[in-house]
Order: sequence, then structure tokens, then C-alpha cells
Amino acid sequence: DADVTQTPRNRITKTGKRIMLECSQTKGHDRMYWYRQDPGLGLRLIYYSFDVKDINKGEISDGYSVSRQAQAKFSLSLESAIPNQTALYFCATSMRGTDTQYFGPGTRLTVL
Amino acid sequence: GENVEQHPSTLSVQEGDSAVIKCTYSDSASNYFPWYKQELGKRPQLIIDIRSNVGEKKDQRIAVTLNKTAKHFSLHITETQPEDSAVYFCAASSGAGGTSYGKLTFGQGTILTVHP
Repeated sequence: DADVTQTPRNRITKTGKRIMLECSQTKGHDRMYWYRQDPGLGLRLIYYSFDVKDINKGEISDGYSVSRQAQAKFSLSLESAIPNQTALYFCATSMRGTDTQYFGPGTRLTVL
Repeated sequence: GENVEQHPSTLSVQEGDSAVIKCTYSDSASNYFPWYKQELGKRPQLIIDIRSNVGEKKDQRIAVTLNKTAKHFSLHITETQPEDSAVYFCAASSGAGGTSYGKLTFGQGTILTVHP
């Protein structure tokens, strides 16, 4: 089945380290998103990309950067991780002209 | 930008009862309103959505209603079952058609617990 996958699924790191979270999809979708989930705050948009050459900041982009290496791959980087970036991170995809977003399984990141 | 408020934050019901979750939004340009269900340890999954040209939509035991004038929409679950226990998120978007960006703004989530 066409799917959205994320690696790693769990990561523990230390303050100041550079971290990359990866997202791949086999759905053939052109739009990809990175969200952060914190208890009581819902899902907040970090970055989104509508095609390989289109990258946009979301609601909470400070401290994060992204790379769209191909239509099927969208990576999120934390250049210098800090403890308040401890959260569950989700990648999502959608197809231009439709509204439904499909989520990956998530990456649980802990910054000590 | 869009702001979505969701209430209640937690909801506990007995099996067979109905559950209602309410959301309000701020941007009158929003025209797409999905609801996602997230089971423990799983990814959010779309369960139902509604567009601004429709006032109500049903799918078996779940329904969503939209009041554009008041800028609020609600999720209704009837005959609740223990497997309905999950976190439910509402969201709002200006839609993905044409040149619109289709970004989703989510509510804070509701933890629904259905007791057998």
C-alpha cells in the first residue's frame, strides 16, 4: 500500500546536537508538511512544501530547517537541539487540488 | 492567521451514550473542516470532513455540523463504543483548490474516553 514513512521512530539526543528527521512517501503526492505535536497544543505546522522548489515557513519554524530532496522526500533538521524541542513530530502529505492530509507514523524526539 | 479553539479538552462517556466535540474558527475564508482521530501511539487519521457549502454530513455513527455564521463546527458520535476512545482533532483550512495553500490549523484536541 502507498504510505508515508518516517525515520527514525524514536530519537534521544543532547542539547546542542544537530538532528535530522526524514520523511518518505510512496503516495505520489506533491505536497508535504512537518508538524509538531505537544500535549494540549494540538498539531502545529513547522514547514510545508508544495513541490521540490517550493518551501514555506509554518506557524513555528524558528529553530528548524527543511530540505525537499525529491518529490517523495522531505527532511526536517534541528540545527542545535534544545530541550523544548522535545515533542512528537509528524510528516504529512496531500495532493494538489485535494484537501485530505495523510500522516506518517511520527518520530518521538527527546532532547536532554 | 487562522485560530481554532476546541472544547472540551477531555470527555468521558458511558458506552452507548453520545459524544459532542465543538470547535470555533476565526478566519471567515476557511472553507474546509476535517476531523482527525488519533488512537494511542498511532498517527492521526481523517474520519470525516465538511466543506462550507454543506451544513451537515453523516457517516454511520459520526456526523459533523457547520454553522458558518457563528464560525463553529461540531463532531457528533452516537452509540459510542470503547474503540471510539482516542484523541480527536478538528482543523480548518482555506482549501487546496486552485492557488489556495490548503494549510490546516488544528484545534488543541479532545481526549475521549468511552467506559464499557
